[in-house]
Amino acid sequence: NAGVMQNPRHLVRRRGQEARLRCSPMKGHSHVYWYRQLPEEGLKFMVYLQKENIIDESGMPKERFSAEFPKEGPSILRIQQVVRGDSAAYFCASSPPTEINYGYTFGSGTRLTVV
Amino acid sequence: AQSVTQLDSQVPVFEEAPVELRCNYSSSVSVYLFWYVQYPNQGLQLLLKYLSGSTLVKGINGFEAEFNKSQTSFHLRKPSVHISDTAEYFCAAVETGANNLFFGTGTRLTVIP
Repeated sequence: NAGVMQNPRHLVRRRGQEARLRCSPMKGHSHVYWYRQLPEEGLKFMVYLQKENIIDESGMPKERFSAEFPKEGPSILRIQQVVRGDSAAYFCASSPPTEINYGYTFGSGTRLTVV
Repeated sequence: AQSVTQLDSQVPVFEEAPVELRCNYSSSVSVYLFWYVQYPNQGLQLLLKYLSGSTLVKGINGFEAEFNKSQTSFHLRKPSVHISDTAEYFCAAVETGANNLFFGTGTRLTVIP
């Protein structure tokens, strides 16, 4: 049973480009969470999604950031017109519907570098 | 408002010595508590979690943590550390019924040979 798969592991973008980060949850997990880790900081919650629904996006920046979790395929975190301050590690976690409070499994993250 | 505080940003300790990494939380409702470990350039691995029941929780790699409700603490301990325990350790909490984990800022444990 594969864990939470994130790709790419490393992503380099120039300022103004778009970044697309992908997350495939564990088999049987229908809930996906995105977190951001800035250098020398802990993880900060961004968004919580179920299939085709955004449940909680209270941690998402108001502009340039969006997330989706379509009926088929991975969850996508999209950052438009990236800026240097977007450089961070982005982690995805998933959980089954019966353990949304305590059944998180994290992926290995995507490290975004904006140059 | 909920928050998690890790009091030590860096903890150096000699190999085979005991270690305690401190974590305090604040919340107006009951919480679930977690410790995660992050090795360099890797994701987070769950060490242990407290949901309910016994306040002493045992995890992987010989770690354990004790939930203390009166002191709102969830300190992580290991009686004898190894070089391979060198990593970043994060304490996290989620309020029961809520969706998202709150993380502390992490403690970098360095084991000295």
